[in-house]
Amino acid sequence: IAGITQAPTSQILAAGRRMTLRCTQDMRHNAMYWYRQDLGLGLRLIHYSNTAGTTGKGEVPDGYSVSRANTDDFPLTLASAVPSQTSVYFCASSEDGTSGSHEQFFGPGTRLTVL
Amino acid sequence: AQSVTQPDIHITVSEGASLELRCNYSYGATPYLFWYVQSPGQGLQLLLKYFSGDTLVQGIKGFEAEFKRSQSSFNLRKPSVHWSDAAEYFCAVGQRPGGYNKLIFGAGTRLAVHP
Repeated sequence: IAGITQAPTSQILAAGRRMTLRCTQDMRHNAMYWYRQDLGLGLRLIHYSNTAGTTGKGEVPDGYSVSRANTDDFPLTLASAVPSQTSVYFCASSEDGTSGSHEQFFGPGTRLTVL
Repeated sequence: AQSVTQPDIHITVSEGASLELRCNYSYGATPYLFWYVQSPGQGLQLLLKYFSGDTLVQGIKGFEAEFKRSQSSFNLRKPSVHWSDAAEYFCAVGQRPGGYNKLIFGAGTRLAVHP
């Protein structure tokens, strides 16, 4: 069982370019999340999805969009990348999105550099 | 607003010494509490969690944490540290049922272990 996979592992991107970070889980979890991790700030929630077909905004959603067409996939898109979006991005999933009791499982991360 | 504070950015201990990592939270009710560990270049792995009941919870890798409501704290402890424990540790608080499964993370504590 792979759990959560993310692609690419790392990417260098020119400012203004469009980029989609991919996330796939094979645990049939209802809820999925995107976080960014920046030094000294911990992880901050960008967007989440409680179930396929629904999405919501987290703490830092500006400049990012997500979609949840099915249970397994939760891509994160940067429509026009800016240097402040340089970060490490983590995708996570949990069984249930409406209860804080369920453990979130994390992918290995994508390191994105915007020049 | 909810928040999580990890007062120690870096901690260095000798192998075999005891360890305590501090975590304080701000939340209106009893939260769900988590400790995650992140090894270099890896995603986050859950060490332990507190939902209710016994305020001393046991986790993986010999870690434990104690919930103290009066101090709004959830400190992580280990009686004897191993070199493989060198990593970054994150405390997180989750909302009770009724809200979406949002985790608020602290900024993290980086642990170094001297031989």
